[in-house]
Amino acid sequence: AQKITQTQPGMFVQEKEAVTLDCTYDTSDPSYGLFWYKQPSSGEMIFLIYQGSYDQQNATEGRYSLNFQKARKSANLVISASQLGDSAMYFCAMREVTGNQFYFGTGTSLTVIP
Amino acid sequence: DTGVSQDPRHKITKRGQNVTFRCDPISEHNRLYWYRQTLGQGPEFLTYFQNEAQLEKSRLLSDRFSAERPKGSFSTLEIQRTEQGDSAMYLCASSPRLAGGQYEQYFGPGTRLTVT
Repeated sequence: AQKITQTQPGMFVQEKEAVTLDCTYDTSDPSYGLFWYKQPSSGEMIFLIYQGSYDQQNATEGRYSLNFQKARKSANLVISASQLGDSAMYFCAMREVTGNQFYFGTGTSLTVIP
Repeated sequence: DTGVSQDPRHKITKRGQNVTFRCDPISEHNRLYWYRQTLGQGPEFLTYFQNEAQLEKSRLLSDRFSAERPKGSFSTLEIQRTEQGDSAMYLCASSPRLAGGQYEQYFGPGTRLTVT
């Protein structure tokens, strides 16, 4: 079974609007971390936001927030006030505390339309 | 520049040749990861080092792949007898250990390998 599932291959959003990128995960570990990364066309992976499985509140980092629904095993990324520079691939990832691997999804390509 | 660096950035090789890539992590980071990323996919875990010890290796990793991290500093990834299926971006990442078990990875720019 896939550890991380991203079901949206491509998304479009109007500049200045908010957009939600979906991510579901699969683990039986009680302790894990969830991450979102951005990969522009230049290729570097940029860390955006982290959510721990025991964190009571949803993580926020500037215009990024993580909508964490533990019972549904979902960790959606919300980008508010989209900017043209947000156009990129976005990857959801998970690390189980019992292991060292980071598992990545297949990514969502976001295009911000002016 | 104090980020993760990788060398070379691009490598073109003929099938059957050996190639070696280098990764220099952020200096105070003791954890180092290698990933492979093909077009349209997310990074796929290859191997993990904590200091100089290789603690985990993907079961999908062929015996043609080997990685080292002597002295717990830079790391090398070698691919022997390259095949066209090895064509991919090879990413290196490093991370510190933070409180509570959280740590994010900082990625290098990657080495793009093309096997002809």
